[in-house]
Parts: sequence; C-alpha cells; structure tokens
Amino acid sequence: DAGVIQSPRHEVTEMGQEVTLRCKPISGHDYLFWYRQTMMRGLELLIYFNNNVPIDDSGMPEDRFSAKMPNASFSTLKIQPSEPRDSAVYFCASSRPESMNTEAFFGQGTRLTVV
Amino acid sequence: RKEVEQDPGPFNVPEGATVAFNCTYSNSASQSFFWYRQDCRKEPKLLMSVYSSGNEDGRFTAQLNRASQYISLLIRDSKLSDSATYLCVVNPEGSARQLTFGSGTQLTVLP
Repeated sequence: DAGVIQSPRHEVTEMGQEVTLRCKPISGHDYLFWYRQTMMRGLELLIYFNNNVPIDDSGMPEDRFSAKMPNASFSTLKIQPSEPRDSAVYFCASSRPESMNTEAFFGQGTRLTVV
Repeated sequence: RKEVEQDPGPFNVPEGATVAFNCTYSNSASQSFFWYRQDCRKEPKLLMSVYSSGNEDGRFTAQLNRASQYISLLIRDSKLSDSATYLCVVNPEGSARQLTFGSGTQLTVLP
C-alpha cells in the first residue's frame, strides 16, 4: 500500500484566496483525521471522519475551514478565504477501527504558506 | 492547563547515552497512550504503544503511571539516528478515536 497520500506537498497562496488540500487514506481504513501543526500550537486535531461521516469538527478553527469526505478514498480540507495565520503543515491521517490502540498513519503533509 | 504536557527540550546527548522523556496528561479517564516519533519536516510515526505494565522494544522502554497521570520513554544506548522529536500521545476519551498530541520533546544525539 502506498500509505496516506496528500496533495499538494507545498502550497503558497495569497491572502484571501481559496485553498483546497486533498487526502487519500489507506484502503480499508474507516477513520480519517485532519491535523494542523505549527510551532506555537503543536499538532492539533481539526476534524475526523468515521465511514465518511464527520464525527467531531470542534477543532476546526472557524467557518473559513470546511472538510468533506465524499467517499471512502478521498477527503478535502478547504480554507476560504485564507489568511496568513493559516500558514502551517496540514496532516491527514487514517486508521482502522479495530481497537483503541490502533495506529494512526499520517500522510507526508501539506506545507501551506499564506502571504 | 494543556491536556498533554511535555518538556520541549531540546535534549542534546552524546551517542551511547541513556535519555528519558516524561509526559503528563490531565484527563484521568484516558485509556490509550502512545509515543510517536517525528523527524524534521516529516510526518509523525508510531514508535510504540504504552501499556499499564510497561513495555520494552529493543532500546526503548515505555512506562505508564495512571495514579500520577504520567508517561515516560527511556532510550538506552542512543544512536545518531534517534535524533527526532518525540510526541507523547493520549486518547483522552477512550472510546472515541481522537488522539491528543503533546508538543513534543526534541532530541539530538551528538557524535
């Protein structure tokens, strides 16, 4: 398996523009997570899905952020409009549902810079 | 108070040294505990789960103290390749699938 695949790897955009981050989870994984990592706040959970359904989006910072999972093999995180403070590394992760000790597998991340 | 707290370091140790990292968590109902490793500009990867009885994987030993809400990671005979950031991770709700990450402890092993 290729692992969790994220695109793009790097994104530089101007303030006010829409940004869409993409994720393909590992086949067979029922859980998908979006995280954001910054130096100041570390790794924060934004939202997670179970069987394509959003379960908890309490970590989404504000209405400018939205996430969808139209099918089991694809998810997007959209920021509209983007702001410089959104600059961070965004990770997607997936896991199987089997037990609480099941490992979460991370993609390589999207490094977002909003100028 | 943060849900998971770690000493950010950095820890700079010579090759062959033994180094220990500590982590405390605030939710006493937490049921799952892990150490993840993150190399510079890479994604986090699972290093090991932490079990109540303590567990060992080669040079790495993890321990959990539920009474003190404290997790530790011990690295013996450290190698240059151990240089990374070590993230303490807790599943605060047990039954939910949310992992709460500490800010990480940076380790540099020096030749």
